[in-house]
Parts: sequence; C-alpha cells; structure tokens
Amino acid sequence: GAVVSQHPSRVICKSGTSVKIECRSLDFQATTMFWYRQFPKKSLMLMATSNEGSKATYEQGVEKDKFLINHASLTLSTLTVTSAHPEDSSFYICSARDIQTTGDTQYFGPGTRLTVL
Amino acid sequence: AQSVSQHNHHVILSEAASLELGCNYSYGGTVNLFWYVQYPGQHLQLLLKYFSGDPLVKGIKGFEAEFIKSKFSFNLRKPSVQWSDTAEYFCAVSLYGQNFVFGPGTRLSVLP
Repeated sequence: GAVVSQHPSRVICKSGTSVKIECRSLDFQATTMFWYRQFPKKSLMLMATSNEGSKATYEQGVEKDKFLINHASLTLSTLTVTSAHPEDSSFYICSARDIQTTGDTQYFGPGTRLTVL
Repeated sequence: AQSVSQHNHHVILSEAASLELGCNYSYGGTVNLFWYVQYPGQHLQLLLKYFSGDPLVKGIKGFEAEFIKSKFSFNLRKPSVQWSDTAEYFCAVSLYGQNFVFGPGTRLSVLP
C-alpha cells in the first residue's frame, strides 16, 4: 500500500525557535497533502491543505504566519512551526492524497511529537 | 458543511464479542467513505473504503462496513473481536476532489 513518511518522529525545542517537519509520499505522487494536529484522546484537527506549487489553504483559526507550509514537489511537503511556544506542543500528522493509483484516498504519516520547552 | 458523527465515544467489549461502530454523515450528494484505525502508539491506517458498487465493503483484519445511502450511514462491523483490535477508529467522508471530514473517533477496548 501507499506509504507516507514523516521526519522527525520526535523533536524537542526551546521556546522561540523554529522547527521544520517533513512529510514525504514514498511510492506515489501527491498533489495534495494535509497537516493535522491531534490532541490527546481527541480526533484529528485539520490545520491546512498543502497544494503542490501553490499556497496552502489554512483552516479557520490556524495562523498561517506561524505554521508555514511548503509543497515544492509532488512527494514532499514541509510544515515549519515558527517561534514555537509551549502551547504548540502537540502531535502533528501529515497525510497525502493519492488519486491516481488507489482512488481518492488519504494515507497518513506516523506523526511528529513536538515538545516546546 | 459536511459533518461526520460517530455514535460511541468508547466501546468496551470482551474478546469474541461482535462489534458494530456507528458512523453517520450529513452530506446528501455522492461521497466516498472510509474507516481508519489507529492502534496504540501507531499511525492512522486505512481499514477499508467505499467509493461505489457493492455497499458491503470488506477490509483488512476481518472488518467490514455497510453503506446505507438512505440512512447516510457507514457502520463498521466485525463478527468476533480480538484483544489486538483495541484501538481508536475514525470514520471519514470525502467528496471527490474536496477535503476529507473525520468523525470524532471511537475508542475500542477489548478485554482479554
């Protein structure tokens, strides 16, 4: 099946620094990728839709200047948490949309645990 | 706007019991339907999906789901659960080319 990787799996950073998370579709091309936050014992919260070659679409309440998304190729999207604060600590999950090979299906990465001290 | 509801927040079953997790959605048009599973400490995995055709869909690990268009439902079933089925289950709905909408999830605990 389709595989999506995320890197890093865990990151600890100091308040005020920036952190970049990578999301890659390993065996298919994804014109669309999604970034989610998952809070403990809660469902996924969609943060933004990342479109290859164009600007990301952010959900209401998500600060676009804080969560920078770049989707420069059909297999890579990056999320940069800028000037991170402790409240940004969370589990960030990406997914990639595979339309060509398996129908319109999302495949999820393993997630990145961000801890901001 | 689309919405997805899952009937149960937390389901507790004994091994070998039958499982049915409810999922209802609000959109009246043609939709694609999915169930994802998240085992403890692991990432979300696709369990099964429905696009068209036979409304009874079989997925991995003995799971199946039935699409009932008149009820806007896509319930997940398994005849006999195992301890290893303990996980969080998410129903999701999408319109082709548009965003997916996920339900709030149902936590399944299977007692050995």
